[in-house]
Amino acid sequence: DGGITQSPKYLFRKEGQNVTLSCEQNLNHDAMYWYRQDPGQGLRLIYYSQIVNDFQKGDIAEGYSVSREKKESFPLTVTSAQKNPTAFYLCASIPAGTGIPGANVLTFGAGSRLTVL
Amino acid sequence: GENVEQHPSTLSVQEGDSAVIKCTYSDSASNYFPWYKQELGKRPQLIIDIRSNVGEKKDQRIAVTLNKTAKHFSLHITETQPEDSAVYFCAAGVSDNYGQNFVFGPGTRLSVLP
Repeated sequence: DGGITQSPKYLFRKEGQNVTLSCEQNLNHDAMYWYRQDPGQGLRLIYYSQIVNDFQKGDIAEGYSVSREKKESFPLTVTSAQKNPTAFYLCASIPAGTGIPGANVLTFGAGSRLTVL
Repeated sequence: GENVEQHPSTLSVQEGDSAVIKCTYSDSASNYFPWYKQELGKRPQLIIDIRSNVGEKKDQRIAVTLNKTAKHFSLHITETQPEDSAVYFCAAGVSDNYGQNFVFGPGTRLSVLP
């Protein structure tokens, strides 16, 4: 799947439950991103990480948490505090900073669709 | 922070005609402008990109133009084909103290009618 694997592809959650979405890449990319996609709203940034053990909030981080314990892994937890979690979640990565050919090209995973029942 | 607007939200063209999608951005520090195509149920994939030191770039039937002064950039698809039907997203990339960040437009749903 283009070097980025997201799982599960589909997930159903009851209200009040936390769920964790997995994102693993074997591209040796430094930076990883989580986006949320809703119809008509494009892709909105939840969290991003440039290096291991460090990450930054994006525009819609409330109700989400992440970790970056390994370079290749960037799991996203959707907590019960997220008021409207039903959405399509996309993980992406890029090689490194600017100045390197191809460094800016985001590679996306296939996505995880979360539905809250 | 950066804000990216995209128009139109939907676009229908006849096969063989051209399609144009326009985006504007707000942060003059943005220096990288990619376009992604997302087919139904699939992941976004890069189709073309342009950096702030270039005004135009072309790849076969696809071209992108950038006007830094006006802070807008456009995607041009010529000789459209049914397989061009998809949602297209523009984005603005900027390097901040932390690293590289990307802000996406809301998307344009392109339908190419046979």
